[in-house]
Amino acid sequence: EVKLVESGGGLVQPGRSLKLSCAASGFSFNDYWMGWVRQAPGKGLEWIGEINQDSSTINYTPSLKDKFTISRDNAQNTLYLQMSKLGSEDTAIYYCARINYGGRTDAWGQGASVTVSS
Amino acid sequence: DTVLTQSPALAVSPGERVTISCRASESVSTLMHWYQQKPGQQPTLLIYLASNLESGVPARFSGSGSGTDFTLTIDPVEADDTATYYCQQSWNDPNTFGAGTKLELK
Repeated sequence: EVKLVESGGGLVQPGRSLKLSCAASGFSFNDYWMGWVRQAPGKGLEWIGEINQDSSTINYTPSLKDKFTISRDNAQNTLYLQMSKLGSEDTAIYYCARINYGGRTDAWGQGASVTVSS
Repeated sequence: DTVLTQSPALAVSPGERVTISCRASESVSTLMHWYQQKPGQQPTLLIYLASNLESGVPARFSGSGSGTDFTLTIDPVEADDTATYYCQQSWNDPNTFGAGTKLELK
């Protein structure tokens, strides 16, 4: 069974940083592109970015590029999202996703909730 | 960025046929995918590459389209289909999602 489990979410003060992790199991992690998607409360889905199998290509939605850094550790089957200079607009559920052929996301984690507030 | 436009909401009765549209601001070829999201849950993939049914998804769901105009069809609609449906394109960088169509059952 394909499983993605995010961790590291919580309450963080404005201007601070936070790093999310996504533990993958049930598939060959190093064969897939992986990505992050977020969803603000009551809002739609927003693509953050994606990383290829060997981390040689990392793409971001341009408006979010300065705030987020995506990385992965294939030995640990783990995907990461480093978030910096957080503001209230970054309050959201952050989903880890597996990207399959053609760019579809065919597996999603349950999401990590991040609340930015003083 | 490629903007995907969806109608915000639809209300249908069980047993009816419903079509949910997604229009792209520029061509996305057939790299269009559809997701279902129920309240409090993560999205799940329904249709990929415009018209391919994801494994395990009921055949009541189908997709069509290419270029800029795409459709997700549910026929017949069941009570369990109450959810928000999102389209997503992966042809142009960055990937983008539509704002979602909330489907309600009468």
